Amino acid sequence: SQQGEEDPQALSIQEGENATMNCSYKTSINNLQWYRQNSGRGLVHLILIRSNEREKHSGRLRVTLDTSKKSSSLLITASRAADTASYFCAITQGGSEKLVFGKGTKLTVNP
Amino acid sequence: ETGVTQSPTHLIKTRGQQVTLRCSSQSGHNTVSWYQQALGQGPQFIFQYYREEENGRGNFPPRFSGLQFPNYSSELNVNALELDDSALYLCASSSPTNEKLFFGSGTQLSVL
Repeated sequence: SQQGEEDPQALSIQEGENATMNCSYKTSINNLQWYRQNSGRGLVHLILIRSNEREKHSGRLRVTLDTSKKSSSLLITASRAADTASYFCAITQGGSEKLVFGKGTKLTVNP
Repeated sequence: ETGVTQSPTHLIKTRGQQVTLRCSSQSGHNTVSWYQQALGQGPQFIFQYYREEENGRGNFPPRFSGLQFPNYSSELNVNALELDDSALYLCASSSPTNEKLFFGSGTQLSVL
C-alpha cells in the first residue's frame, strides 16, 4: 500500500508562477524525500529532509516538514516549462531501507 | 544521467511466460532496489539486494525473484506472467552512506 498521498493530483500553472505540492503520510518516519519523474521514465532525487528538520532549500526548491501533522510541502519558485513533470514524495520508516511512494502530483508549467 | 542502466527498455510478453530484467548500478553503489510502477501510480517496492543478499521485500508473490552479482549488477525475474504485471519496472542503486536513490530509466513491460 502507498503511505504518502500528494495533493493536488494535478496542477497547471504559468511560467514564472510558484508551484506548491503537498504530501501527507500516516506513520512515523526517518526521512522524507521528493523525486521528479519526466514522462514515466526514471525518477530523479530532488531533496531529502530528515524527521528532525523543518525546512530545507535547494536552488528554487523549498521543502517543509511538519511531523506533528504528518505532512510535507514542496515549493518550486519561478517555475519554468522544463519543470513540467510528476513529483513524488517518499518516506522511509523504522529500520527499513525501502522507500514508500505516494501517487504523485502531475505539474504542467505552461510557457 | 544517474549512471544506472536498465535493459531492455521495452518488452512485450504473453501471459504465463517468464521475463528477466537487468540493471547495472552506479559505480560505487552496492545496494540495488527494484520497484514496480503501474500507470498513474507511484513506484511500489519489490525488493532490495545488498552485497548479493536479499535485504527486504515488499508485498509481491514469490514468482518475483532477484539476483545481485559480485559486480553489484542485478536481475529481476518474473515467472508465470499475469496481465497485471504490465508496468514500468525501475531499478535504483544506492550506497550505505547515502539514503537517496539513483534510478535507471526503467523497463516498460507489457503482458498480453
